[in-house]
Amino acid sequence: EVQLVESGGHLVQPGGSLRLSCAASGFSLSKFWMHWVRQPPGKGLVWVSRINSDGSDTTYADSVKGRFTISRDNAKNTLYLQMNSLRVEDTAVYYCARRLDPIDSWGQGTQVTVSS
Amino acid sequence: SYVLTQPPSVSVAPGETARIPCGGNHIGSKSVHWYQQKPGQAPVLVISNDSDRSSGIPERFSGSNSGNTATLTISRVEAGDEADFYCQVWDTSSDPPHVFGSGTKVTVL
Repeated sequence: EVQLVESGGHLVQPGGSLRLSCAASGFSLSKFWMHWVRQPPGKGLVWVSRINSDGSDTTYADSVKGRFTISRDNAKNTLYLQMNSLRVEDTAVYYCARRLDPIDSWGQGTQVTVSS
Repeated sequence: SYVLTQPPSVSVAPGETARIPCGGNHIGSKSVHWYQQKPGQAPVLVISNDSDRSSGIPERFSGSNSGNTATLTISRVEAGDEADFYCQVWDTSSDPPHVFGSGTKVTVL
């Protein structure tokens, strides 16, 4: 069974940093492109970033470019999102998601709250 | 950037048909995917590539795409279908390349 389990979400002050992790099981992470998608409270889904299967190609939404870094450790079957210079508007549930297009599996999400 | 437009809400009586539009410029030339999200849960892929139903999704769910509108249709609506539905496309010429619609809340009366 495909499972994606996110962790690392916390309450953090504006300007702070967090690293989210997504542990994959039931499949080989190395075979898939992966995404991070976020959902602000009471709002819709927003694509954040993607990474190709070997980590050599990354793409970001303009709203996080230069502040967030997506990476992966295929040996550990884990996806990451390093989030720096966090802003109040980054507050959201962050989902990791599998496959370039369409996204065929989602984690349950981890809550990131940016507030003073 | 490419924009997908969905109505905020659709209401339907049990047993009736719900139609959820997703508007976009020449969306008929793109592959559209649909996700269902129930409260407190992660999204689930229900329809891919305009009209392919995912495994385990009832035949009551169908999709179509032409011109400037893609449509998710739910026939014989049940109370358990109540959820938010999002359309999504991958546009390689757009920034960002992966775009979601704003979502439609389906309410079963």
